[in-house]
Amino acid sequence: DTGVSQDPRHKITKRGQNVTFRCDPISEHNRLYWYRQTLGQGPEFLTYFQNEAQLEKSRLLSDRFSAERPKGSFSTLEIQRTEQGDSAMYLCASSSLKPGTGNYHEQYFGPGTRLTVT
Amino acid sequence: AQKITQTQPGMFVQEKEAVTLDCTYDTSDPSYGLFWYKQPSSGEMIFLIYQGSYDQQNATEGRYSLNFQKARKSANLVISASQLGDSAMYFCAMREVTYNQGGKLIFGQGTELSVKP
Repeated sequence: DTGVSQDPRHKITKRGQNVTFRCDPISEHNRLYWYRQTLGQGPEFLTYFQNEAQLEKSRLLSDRFSAERPKGSFSTLEIQRTEQGDSAMYLCASSSLKPGTGNYHEQYFGPGTRLTVT
Repeated sequence: AQKITQTQPGMFVQEKEAVTLDCTYDTSDPSYGLFWYKQPSSGEMIFLIYQGSYDQQNATEGRYSLNFQKARKSANLVISASQLGDSAMYFCAMREVTYNQGGKLIFGQGTELSVKP
């Protein structure tokens, strides 16, 4: 199966620590998205990349958050000086702009990384 | 600003019966896409069905159909012949359609569906 993968699946950290999450999109997908989902809510958009270029960032993405996608393949999301309010599920999704490489409209989601800040 | 509203926090349905999950949306863009995703307790978002704003016919995918009423700005999901495995959270989402077709998704708050045996 070559779906979207995320690592780690779960992360528990102490307030003030830095954490980094990784997302590997479906190969040939040139768009990669990060979303955050808190308990009982729908996912909220954080940022997305087309290839290696970060095209949009939500105002939810404070300066403690940074995302990269070197070489247009996998992506990392880093949270510095974590706060308890950062506890959430972080979802990654990918999509393709090329017809014929999958459902042209669909964003395929990974299993998510659940972050708990104590 | 674009917005998705799901007014049913929870729904119950008897196994083998049909159920409708409500979704209304707000946008000033003439071109947009509407999606439904299923999220089981495992957490992964599973794509169910898509409707483009210019599509003339309602979308269908197996037991899922989307009742698209553009004038009312509603995009309700109909699940026919409910199964126990349909118990999950269901999210309606809207995508901004930019020139390159790959915009962010805006999600509603979800509806938790429980299928009774």
